[in-house]
Amino acid sequence: AQKITQTQPGMFVQEKEAVTLDCTYDTSDPSYGLFWYKQPSSGEMIFLIYQGSYDQQNATEGRYSLNFQKARKSANLVISASQLGDSAMYFCAMREGNTDKLIFGTGTRLQVFP
Amino acid sequence: GAVVSQHPSRVICKSGTSVKIECRSLDFQATTMFWYRQFPKKSLMLMATSNEGSKATYEQGVEKDKFLINHASLTLSTLTVTSAHPEDSSFYICSASQWRTSNNSPLHFGNGTRLTVT
Repeated sequence: AQKITQTQPGMFVQEKEAVTLDCTYDTSDPSYGLFWYKQPSSGEMIFLIYQGSYDQQNATEGRYSLNFQKARKSANLVISASQLGDSAMYFCAMREGNTDKLIFGTGTRLQVFP
Repeated sequence: GAVVSQHPSRVICKSGTSVKIECRSLDFQATTMFWYRQFPKKSLMLMATSNEGSKATYEQGVEKDKFLINHASLTLSTLTVTSAHPEDSSFYICSASQWRTSNNSPLHFGNGTRLTVT
């Protein structure tokens, strides 16, 4: 079974609009962390935001926020006021328990148009 | 912030030769390093976990004799693709973890190595 599922292979959004990238996860471990990374065409992995399983509030980092719905096992990334430079692949990832190993979803390619 | 340097960024080699990729943590000691492989337009697949001073732990389906991993120090891990073939052509990316003081410490990634085997 897939541990991390990203159902949107591609998304389009107009500049200055908000966009939501979906991520659902599957784990039986009560302690886990959820991460979002951005990968531009150059290939590097850029850390965006983190949500812990015990965190009471949704994480926010500048224009990025995470809509964490624990009961539904979803951790959607919301990007507000999209910019052309936001065009990239976005990966959701999970770390379980005390391991540092990250398991990645299949990614969503976001394209921002003027 | 924590920086991971990966070298080379791009390499082209002939079939049958071996290629070594280095992953260095520049300003922190990495107790654990991870090696991922990414096919075009695909996700990152974890290949192996390397811990300093011990043998690497390979994921199911990854040939350990094909992909040799050495984590000789707290700042350096190497991945050697032995007897490379065209199907080994891929994007390889490493990440490093320092001793975590909190669960929200992200993994720090290198910039990746694009390997092309002709």
